[in-house]
Amino acid sequence: DIQMTQSPSTLSASVGDRVTITCRASQSISTWLAWYQQKPGKAPKLLIHKASVLQSGVPSRFSGSGSGTEFTLTISSLQPDDFATYYCQQYSIDWWTFGPGTNVDFK
Amino acid sequence: QVHLQESGPGLVKPSETLSLTCTVSGGAISAGDYYWSWIRQSPGKGLEWIGYVYPTGSTDYNPSLKSRISISIDTSKNQFSLRLTSLTAADTAVYYCARRNYPDAFDIWGQGTMVTVSS
Repeated sequence: DIQMTQSPSTLSASVGDRVTITCRASQSISTWLAWYQQKPGKAPKLLIHKASVLQSGVPSRFSGSGSGTEFTLTISSLQPDDFATYYCQQYSIDWWTFGPGTNVDFK
Repeated sequence: QVHLQESGPGLVKPSETLSLTCTVSGGAISAGDYYWSWIRQSPGKGLEWIGYVYPTGSTDYNPSLKSRISISIDTSKNQFSLRLTSLTAADTAVYYCARRNYPDAFDIWGQGTMVTVSS
């Protein structure tokens, strides 16, 4: 199976900060990577698919990049609604796996 | 727009079988190229994909759970279901149904249902 790791596990930031989260796959997954945002008590929400394609309705301050084994999610200017946990997920092979999550909280 | 809703028991005893149903509204479950999936989330293991069913009835399961899982689809009711046998406390989690918009990711999720395995 493909293992996904994320760093950092927790990130403390302020409104207006530029935030970057890294996701790494244990083997190449091309660009078959998605990013989700999850708030407490809610289901994950798809932000980005195919590593860099913004899901419809998602603000343009979110962006994704990378291919192969290393990927990043960037929030260009953190907004109050963005404090949440972010997960990456690979869908390269038929055993889809998620990263452990990055919690973005208030500094 | 398409909406997913999980239903099933919130408390199940160890060694018993869990049955959950996901009802799809706002669109036909057999329309489009979608993989209807179950995903769970527990504090100890994070998000874990359980398996999917395609409208034709074909399935694929997480190898770590394969011996205990069955996922089926009822297109006449616009529903798909999960059966998980031989439950232990490790199966305690929030269970989500979700739609995979092939070849991409899970674009629509249900709200989730908490299942506790306890005597």
